[in-house]
Amino acid sequence: EAGVTQSPTHLIKTRGQQATLRCSPISGHTSVYWYQQALGLGLQFLLWYDEGEERNRGNFPPRFSGRQFPNYSSELNVNALELEDSALYLCASSYPSSYNEQFFGPGTRLTVL
Amino acid sequence: QKEVEQDPGPLSVPEGAIVSLNCTYSNSAFQYFMWYRQYSRKGPELLMYTYSSGNKEDGRFTAQVDKSSKYISLFIRDSQPSDSATYLCAMKGGSGGGADGLTFGKGTHLIIQP
Repeated sequence: EAGVTQSPTHLIKTRGQQATLRCSPISGHTSVYWYQQALGLGLQFLLWYDEGEERNRGNFPPRFSGRQFPNYSSELNVNALELEDSALYLCASSYPSSYNEQFFGPGTRLTVL
Repeated sequence: QKEVEQDPGPLSVPEGAIVSLNCTYSNSAFQYFMWYRQYSRKGPELLMYTYSSGNKEDGRFTAQVDKSSKYISLFIRDSQPSDSATYLCAMKGGSGGGADGLTFGKGTHLIIQP
């Protein structure tokens, strides 16, 4: 069974630019979660998508947004990039109603210069 | 007080030793408890998932939850150099489906010396 995949592996942007990160869940998983893992802060919950809808977001500003497509893949957009947005962005997926068993992808490392 | 506290280590033990990793938490609403292993520059890998208090064993790994003390543990028996990684505890409340996301500790860096 193929795992969660994310692209790109690395992304380098400058302040003020926009970044787009992509995630493909495990086949059969309909929920997608995004987390930020910044140095010294640990993993923090960003967004939850289920059945194409944004269901909840963590304590992040609105410039962090995304969407989920009909095939359950997802996109995370970060607008007006700031230096502190530099982090590993992790996507996880789960089966319907198995929200507690989340399987993570390898992440996209975003560097903002 | 942070919701989940986890000693960052590093914790260095000789090969073959029993490893004990721990987390404490303050939110009594947490009902589900997980342990993830994360190798350098990789995504977290789900190791153990438990619900409420008690023990759960899977091979060399045992997860223990004590809700009365708000304390969870992961034990690794017969530790191997390949177990060297960062171990993250994660927790979630019992309501709202996936709404809350998982709340993570900052991770303990474990080193198994050959």
